[in-house]
Amino acid sequence: ELKVEQNPLFLSMQEGKNYTIYCNYSTTSDRLYWYRQDPGKSLESLFVLLSNGAVKQEGRLMASLDTKARLSTLHITAAVHDLSATYFCAVGRAGSYQLTFGKGTKLSVIP
Amino acid sequence: EAGVAQSPRYKIIEKRQSVAFWCNPISGHATLYWYQQILGQGPKLLIQFQNNGVVDDSQLPKDRFSAERLKGVDSTLKIQPAKLEDSAVYLCASSAGSSGYNEQFFGPGTRLTVL
Repeated sequence: ELKVEQNPLFLSMQEGKNYTIYCNYSTTSDRLYWYRQDPGKSLESLFVLLSNGAVKQEGRLMASLDTKARLSTLHITAAVHDLSATYFCAVGRAGSYQLTFGKGTKLSVIP
Repeated sequence: EAGVAQSPRYKIIEKRQSVAFWCNPISGHATLYWYQQILGQGPKLLIQFQNNGVVDDSQLPKDRFSAERLKGVDSTLKIQPAKLEDSAVYLCASSAGSSGYNEQFFGPGTRLTVL
């Protein structure tokens, strides 16, 4: 069974600071997604990571994937209030259609 | 391009009642998913359709949950009878193509409260 762990689950950070969210998974995977969810809203796709060493950046967010360590990171640079949301990683087990989601990291950016 | 549509957006029922949710995927998307998201958790896949056939329903509580996708487009998810623990947001997603590697696009969800 594929297990996906995110940490931290809650993160309160000041505007302008940097921080990293971690996503660990338990078995071989061939794809990993990061999603954003605002309160009461659905999931918005942020990044798709398909290969070892993949790095993608969009604005103040950068995601990377290390398949050997079974680890993905979502790095936040110079946080702004608009980034406040819950961030999920979702992992696809190799050879399976299913995605398994982490519990999410609730990020609050405070002035 | 229109996104994934779901209705109703909110539903409140009493336990042991029945409820149905509707999903219309993005036009042309062959694969449709239903997820259950309990408060404070990530979405959990309930069932996956490829056109009008079921690909994976291993996590669907089949004694009370059922889903269909007639004609390979719209889908309905039914709960009968509902239990308190079914309170959750039910998300529908769709993806293009037949591979599980295609990006999934999510609808706004239906928030179910069972009293």
